[in-house]
Amino acid sequence: GEDVEQSLFLSVREGDSSVINCTYTDSSSTYLYWYKQEPGAGLQLLTYIFSNMDMKQDQRLTVLLNKKDKHLSLRIADTQTGDSAIYFCAEERRGSGYSTLTFGKGTMLLVSP
Amino acid sequence: GAVVSQHPSRVICKSGTSVKIECRSLDFQATTMFWYRQFPKQSLMLMATSNEGSKATYEQGVEKDKFLINHASLTLSTLTVASAHPEDSSFYICSARGETGHNSPLHFGNGTRLTVT
Repeated sequence: GEDVEQSLFLSVREGDSSVINCTYTDSSSTYLYWYKQEPGAGLQLLTYIFSNMDMKQDQRLTVLLNKKDKHLSLRIADTQTGDSAIYFCAEERRGSGYSTLTFGKGTMLLVSP
Repeated sequence: GAVVSQHPSRVICKSGTSVKIECRSLDFQATTMFWYRQFPKQSLMLMATSNEGSKATYEQGVEKDKFLINHASLTLSTLTVASAHPEDSSFYICSARGETGHNSPLHFGNGTRLTVT
């Protein structure tokens, strides 16, 4: 199959760290993405990681990739109320002349003061 | 960074009318753009891949006569929902790769919420 799975909901307190997990099935995935969607808005690219990397850090965001387990996580340090949104994990496979992007169903992150 | 602009952000129309949605790459050329549809509380579903200067490639189950795609220039793709009906009400999002080449991520527009009454 080509499923990307995420937990549907995560609730944290402001200042704590948030960890959003994602599993994918296609070992030939080349790029893995994390997008943020606020209510009524489009998708905002947060970060992405190439499949030959294990970790990528960008300010408060840390992405960990475990290729053996096909597991991707997004850690948000010092979570703020403005981080409340839906976070989508997506895997992309590219071949000669084609590219397919498969999204998970999204994880709703709720940050309480 | 790469910016994708989508217009309009919201449209309400009567059943039977056609609606055109524009997707522009503002600071880069995009030979390929993608159109997605998102149902409430669900993930994105790829509808079609828009190729500059050639016909769009539609995903299985997407009616090409209902969802007309035109990619006439390297910075503009349009999606026209022909003779819209209430079941076409949805959130439509376009995306484009940030730059030519294989090592750039997909950037998305802010989406268009279509409501057909």
